[in-house]
Amino acid sequence: KQEVTQIPAALSVPEGENLVLNCSFTDSAIYNLQWFRQDPGKGLTSLLLIQSSQREQTSGRLNASLDKSSGRSTLYIAASQPGDSATYLCAVSPFSGNTGKLIFGQGTTLQVKP
Amino acid sequence: KAGVTQTPRYLIKTRGQQVTLSCSPISGHRSVSWYQQTPGQGLQFLFEYFSETQRNKGNFPGRFSGRQFSNSRSEMNVSTLELGDSALYLCASSLAGRTNTGELFFGEGSRLTVL
Repeated sequence: KQEVTQIPAALSVPEGENLVLNCSFTDSAIYNLQWFRQDPGKGLTSLLLIQSSQREQTSGRLNASLDKSSGRSTLYIAASQPGDSATYLCAVSPFSGNTGKLIFGQGTTLQVKP
Repeated sequence: KAGVTQTPRYLIKTRGQQVTLSCSPISGHRSVSWYQQTPGQGLQFLFEYFSETQRNKGNFPGRFSGRQFSNSRSEMNVSTLELGDSALYLCASSLAGRTNTGELFFGEGSRLTVL
């Protein structure tokens, strides 16, 4: 059974700091991995998607890496800003194919202090 | 291009009642998935519909059901509501084609409170 773990559960950093969020999964047979952002009481915003054959994806100040063999992904946020404060969720899609079923981690709640 | 639209955004029900939530996917998306989010359990997959057929199902009791219409719009229904059904219900859509990346796009959710 696939399980996804995110560490740490919460993180508080001063503005401008570079930071790394971690995600681990137990079964390396995945179709893809997505990182999402969720603001309080809101839906999920897709940040980055990494296909199982890829090693990393970049979008602006965000960089996500994937190491399938070790069952790990990291989300790197450069030069953090107060507007980055949110919960970040990692989710994997099982290798059964391109479906809408994702298995989520519990998330990391990030606070960036001005 | 409009995003995923969910209605209603907020609703309050009492135990024993039933509720229907609606989701309109992004235009052209044929797959619609539903998730339940609670503080204790996090995000859990309910079911997925593709071309009006249920393609995947999570581990929820039969009180939770759904359907998809020919225009890809989807509804989910919860019967005989329990206090534990209070949650944010999220809908997601994707292209779900063979050559597609499988990226999911989520709506803002429907916040259900059961009293």
